[in-house]
This record gives sequence, C-alpha cells and structure tokens, in this order.
Amino acid sequence: EDKVVQSPLSLVVHEGDTVTLNCSYEVTNFRSLLWYKQEKKAPTFLFMLTSSGIEKKSGRLSSILDKKELFSILNITATQTGDSAIYLCAILNYGQNFVFGPGTRLSVLP
Amino acid sequence: DAGVTQSPTHLIKTRGQQVTLRCSPKSGHDTVSWYQQALGQGPQFIFQYYEEEERQRGNFPDRFSGHQFPNYSSELNVNALLLGDSALYLCASRGTGESPLHFGNGTRLTVT
Repeated sequence: EDKVVQSPLSLVVHEGDTVTLNCSYEVTNFRSLLWYKQEKKAPTFLFMLTSSGIEKKSGRLSSILDKKELFSILNITATQTGDSAIYLCAILNYGQNFVFGPGTRLSVLP
Repeated sequence: DAGVTQSPTHLIKTRGQQVTLRCSPKSGHDTVSWYQQALGQGPQFIFQYYEEEERQRGNFPDRFSGHQFPNYSSELNVNALLLGDSALYLCASRGTGESPLHFGNGTRLTVT
C-alpha cells in the first residue's frame, strides 16, 4: 500500500527563521510528488516534482525531490506569519491515485 | 475563472441520517475526486469520477456513494451516518495528463 510520511508533524518558529519540512514515501509506480498549503479549508497547490534533483522555486519557497532515497523537502526562508498553515505532501502514482501524508502544521510567531 | 465550488459549507446531521454533498469542478476539468479529512489528518481518498463513472475507490464502505453528471459536477452521498463520519469533505478536480488536484473549500459535516 502506498504511504507518505511527513516530519515534523508540528513546528513553531519565529518570523525570519528558515524551515525545512520533510516528506518520505513508499509507492509503487511513482509518477510525481506534490506539495500543498492548507490554511483554513482548501489546500492550495505549491509544487509538482517529477524529476530527481531539480529544484522548484516560488519566492521564498523551494522544493527538491530525491527519487533514489524516496524523499522530498520543502524549504521556506525568511518565514512570515502568513506562512502559518498545514503543509501537505502527496504522491501521484501511475494509477492516477493521489496519496496524502498527514501534513506538517507550521506556526510562525511574530 | 471559477475554481472548484462546494455546497453546503457546513452541515449538522444526526446519526443514522443521510447526507448529500455537491461539487462543481474547475472550468475545463473533467475528473472529480472526493476526500475525507478528519481533524489533524491528511485528506483520505474516497473515490474518483470520470466520464460519469466511478473509476477509483479508496478504503471506504458502501455507505459512501457518488455520482457525476454530464456537466462534470458531482455528488457525494453518505447513508446511515456515524459519529466517525464527522470531517471536512473536500472535492477536487483535475484536467488530463499529469496535472495537480485543485480543491474546493470543503463541506464541514458534523454528526451528532
């Protein structure tokens, strides 16, 4: 059964800190890994990673995938209170199934 | 361009009752999936609809059923509600190929 594990499950930092969120997975027929941000209700899409070793960036957020070691990290630099959210990692397999991890709850204090 | 819309936003039901949740996908999307998200957990896959048929199903009992209409909108029905069905129900749509899911704001279901 496909599985996604995230760590830490919860994290509290202060504004300006840099954080690294981890996602590891076990999946048959891996296709892509995705990161989502969930603030209140709807998870919003951040990144989709398919190729190993290629960093995706959007402003202060960046992510990279290691397909050999079966993990991905999401980095957020110079955190702001608006970054407080649950960050979800998901994998897409060739069966067109998305499997989500439990999420990392990030709290950024002023 | 309207995103994924869900209704209602909140719902309170009693054990044993039945509920219907509704979803309209993002414009241009033809595949709709439903997820259950309990407090403190990630979304759990219920099922996926494409071309008005259930194509994939997660580990949920037959009390959970769905439908997709010709305009790609979808319904999730849950019969014989249990307290454990209390959760945020998310609808997501996607286009063809290797594209991400786009989520609606969800329906918060409380079963008392």
